[in-house]
Amino acid sequence: AQTVTQSQPEMSVQEAETVTLSCTYDTSESDYYLFWYKQPPSRQMILVIRQEAYKQQNATENRFSVNFQKAAKSFSLKISDSQLGDAAMYFCAYRSASGGSEKLVFGKGTKLTVNP
Amino acid sequence: EAQVTQNPRYLITVTGKKLTVTCSQNMNHEYMSWYRQDPGLGLRQIYYSMNVEVTDKGDVPEGYKVSRKEKRNFPLILESPSPNQTSLYFCASRARNSYEQYFGPGTRLTVT
Repeated sequence: AQTVTQSQPEMSVQEAETVTLSCTYDTSESDYYLFWYKQPPSRQMILVIRQEAYKQQNATENRFSVNFQKAAKSFSLKISDSQLGDAAMYFCAYRSASGGSEKLVFGKGTKLTVNP
Repeated sequence: EAQVTQNPRYLITVTGKKLTVTCSQNMNHEYMSWYRQDPGLGLRQIYYSMNVEVTDKGDVPEGYKVSRKEKRNFPLILESPSPNQTSLYFCASRARNSYEQYFGPGTRLTVT
């Protein structure tokens, strides 16, 4: 079974600085998707960024980028120019790309605090 | 507005009293899922459905039932709730040809 590990329960960053959240996963599959979700205090789950395993190029979305290391099974999220609104829980998630399953596996989350 | 709705948003109940949490989406999505979120454990998938009348277990299905009689609805049923089912529950949906899951606002359930 696939597992997702987020080794940092909490992180903090100064406003306008850069922070990196770690995520590792375990799978025997070669084709899959990886996601980072943000959950602010409102509890709403918001998709931040996704990465397809077959793509070598790291995904970017404005201030958010990932460092995808397939061989190391690592998928870290970098937030540049941190803003107060980035404060939230961040979850890493894995989904197989093979048809026939909608299983989505989440890590336990990292709570990010942004200090003014 | 495209959305996933859940009802109720908050529920306090007693052990053993059957309850249903409804989930509805207006985006004609094929795939729907239920998750529970507990502190320190992240989100764990309970059940998912890939089409009408097609459901399958996630990682923590014990104590829960689901049904998918219509494409838009995916209710979560707790036949005999217990205190260890106290949690925050999320419903989500996704189109077959899309990466993105749309999450509902969550249902806070307390079982005493």
